[in-house]
Order: sequence, then C-alpha cells, then structure tokens
Amino acid sequence: DVKVTQSSRYLVKRTGEKVFLECVQDMDHENMFWYRQDPGLGLRLIYFSYDVKMKEKGDIPEGYSVSREKKERFSLILESASTNQTSMYLCASSFFHRGQGVGYTFGSGTRLTVV
Amino acid sequence: QQQVKQSPQSLIVQKGGISIINCAYENTAFDYFPWYQQFPGKGPALLIAIRPDVSEKKEGRFTISFNKSAKQFSLHIMDSQPGDSATYFCAAAGANNLFFGTGTRLTVIP
Repeated sequence: DVKVTQSSRYLVKRTGEKVFLECVQDMDHENMFWYRQDPGLGLRLIYFSYDVKMKEKGDIPEGYSVSREKKERFSLILESASTNQTSMYLCASSFFHRGQGVGYTFGSGTRLTVV
Repeated sequence: QQQVKQSPQSLIVQKGGISIINCAYENTAFDYFPWYQQFPGKGPALLIAIRPDVSEKKEGRFTISFNKSAKQFSLHIMDSQPGDSATYFCAAAGANNLFFGTGTRLTVIP
C-alpha cells in the first residue's frame, strides 16, 4: 500500500521555537506539497517541490521554509513558531501524467499547537 | 483569492437521500478536477476525479457533473449513507498545484 507518512500526529511547541515537520513518501513521486488546513478556509498551499532541492512558494509561505534533500522526503520548517501557526498540517505527493500533476496522496496530518 | 469556490459549507441529508455539493472555478487552465473525502483524524483521500473533456463521471453512488462553459462542477452522492458523513473537498489542478475548495461537512442522518 502506497503511503505518505508524517512523522508526528500531534505536536505542542512554544512560541519562538524552531519546528520541523517531516514527510516521507514511498511512491517515487516527483512532486511534494505542504498544506495547512483550517476550519472554513480549506487547504491552503504553503510550499511545494517538484524535484530534489527545488522549492516553490505556495499561497501562504510567510513564516515557513522547506527542505527537500532526497526525493522521498520533504520537510516543513517553522523558523520561529507563533500562535497563528497553530493548525493541521498536511503533506501530499503527486506525479506527472501528460504534463499534469495527478495522483495526489495525502498523509494523515500533523496537528500542531503553538502555546 | 480563492481559486475554487465551494458550497454549501455544511449539509445535512437523510439516509437514502441525494447529497449535492457544488464548486466553481475561474482559471480555464485547470485540467483535472478531483474530489476528496476526509474523515476526522485522517488526511483527505481521493474519491473521484474528472477531466474537462467529459461532462459526467460515475463511480458507484458517486457522480461528478462537469459544466465546462459555466466553469462549474458538482458531486452527487446517491442513496447517501451514514458512513458517507465526512468533509468533502473539491479541487482543481494546474500543472503543478492542486487548489482546494473550502470544504463541505456532510452529515447523513440515519
């Protein structure tokens, strides 16, 4: 069974801490994504990567950075966590088919609380 | 700016009824329109998807209707069951990204 695995289901961090969220996929997908999910706002794209060491900003990149050193792993970094970053974070991966990203598969999410 | 608009925000349907969720988009470059189902504590899972070269796709009790000229698409769930209670997201894909609607929380009452 193909999987996207997020390292933590729940995290509680203090304001100002540096936070790492890890995501690993075993499908050999080219593309990987980080979304945050908030009630009434749906899923908003933070960053994505279509290749190793490549990254692109999504809709809400402020306060976040990412790292993709290996194809299967995509990390989201909160440089200095703030309470407004309390959210559910979802990692996803996809592949290209006919020039189109398809086959989006999501992890189970990490619920981050910043206190 | 919301790339994909979804309604309603919440929906309550009796068991056996039809659930209908609507979405609209603006960007004509979108070429892939999936629907995701999300249960509490889980990530979204692909339910059904359509490309704009067809007007309808059916998989079991789930049907997508697609109106390219109106830039609208909808999910119909026939014979809705309590196990269908979940949050549903429509989405539209560009070359690299997937843009989501804001979600519809469906509750099917026994």
